[in-house]
Amino acid sequence: EPEVTQTPSHQVTQMGQEVILRCVPISNHLYFYWYRQILGQKVEFLVSFYNNEISEKSEIFDDQFSVERPDGSNFTLKIRSTKLEDSAMYFCASRLRAAVYGYTFGSGTRLTVV
Amino acid sequence: SQQGEEDPQALSIQEGENATMNCSYKTSINNLQWYRQNSGRGLVHLILIRSNEREKHSGRLRVTLDTSKKSSSLLITASRAADTASYFCATTSGTYKYIFGTGTRLKVLA
Repeated sequence: EPEVTQTPSHQVTQMGQEVILRCVPISNHLYFYWYRQILGQKVEFLVSFYNNEISEKSEIFDDQFSVERPDGSNFTLKIRSTKLEDSAMYFCASRLRAAVYGYTFGSGTRLTVV
Repeated sequence: SQQGEEDPQALSIQEGENATMNCSYKTSINNLQWYRQNSGRGLVHLILIRSNEREKHSGRLRVTLDTSKKSSSLLITASRAADTASYFCATTSGTYKYIFGTGTRLKVLA
């Protein structure tokens, strides 16, 4: 069964440092997403990406965040200057067509900012 | 805002019993999905129900949707210890994003 792969599974970083979270979506999927889940809280939408551009983003996704699909297979989330409150599980997801199929989620990257 | 809220927040049942979780939302939707999350793990898509559907089955799962009440329920029949997880509903109104609810933590006791 095709999978969405996320690396690393756990990353610890110093406050103020830049981090890049990596995702390899399913190869024929067209829509890509990042969500995050602070420990014990709900899953929150960050950004959606389609046709090589951001299609929608939440208020959480401020100027400190950026996404890229640099080579047609990887999909990355960059946080430029991490804050303590960025500590969360970050999930990448992809799907084939909008509003028809469910997402396939990756297993997540646990980001700990110290 | 469009937001799924599940109830109960936590549910503990014996193996073999049925588990019912409910989800309410605030605005009109295109479809609603249910996901499972094992502790500290990723989200697994269980079932999608479109706004023009009222009921859907998948194995031991039964999902209903009542758009007039803006609510959905997930029934897991003959529960097993392996069903222990958190269950989330997620809704979309046709934009690119899904809004997840707060989740129900299900514990199935062997």
